[in-house]
Amino acid sequence: DTAVSQTPKYLVTQMGNDKSIKCEQNLGHDTMYWYKQDSKKFLKIMFSYNNKELIINETVPNRFSPKSPDKAHLNLHINSLELGDSAVYFCASSRRSGDPYEQYFGPGTRLTVT
Amino acid sequence: EDQVTQSPEALRLQEGESSSLNCSYTVSGLRGLFWYRQDPGKGPEFLFTLYSAGEEKEKERLKATLTKKESFLHITAPKPEDSATYLCAVQRSEKLVFGKGTKLTVNP
Repeated sequence: DTAVSQTPKYLVTQMGNDKSIKCEQNLGHDTMYWYKQDSKKFLKIMFSYNNKELIINETVPNRFSPKSPDKAHLNLHINSLELGDSAVYFCASSRRSGDPYEQYFGPGTRLTVT
Repeated sequence: EDQVTQSPEALRLQEGESSSLNCSYTVSGLRGLFWYRQDPGKGPEFLFTLYSAGEEKEKERLKATLTKKESFLHITAPKPEDSATYLCAVQRSEKLVFGKGTKLTVNP
């Protein structure tokens, strides 16, 4: 069973387009996250939701909008894609926010903007 | 500002050659330090959580230790399948701050 899944695995699109990445976790966790890993492999948090409530919103352009329909799903919508958005985006989940619980990551979505 | 620095950036070992990876951090109010393993094209895989200085945890050939300023990931008699990028992260309040990782290659 896949614990944290993401779709699609690869996404190639042109500048200016709008795209979405979906994430689902079947671990029963309360908290979900979106991370961006750039070309230098640096992993940085973008957003975090706890029971559908936004709790972390790092300095991310407002072209990026997360949405959590329920605590098992966290989607990421990106408007007006730019070249600099090319990266690997990881979804993760943990039991609860605040406490030092380990986070479990999905397989990633490689976004390429041309 | 919270900082996590991992060294070396890359490490090549022969099979069976033990070594250590370093993670030094500056963070106020550390709530936990995490080690992850990341294989190419995959998401990070959780290895260990350390909560306080002096704590140690082991898993197979890996042993993680923690002081007030740094953590070490000791790899004993590594095998080629241990080749991966090892990431260190610290937690303060709600979020994890990751280092840039150490890419480990173990040659047979």
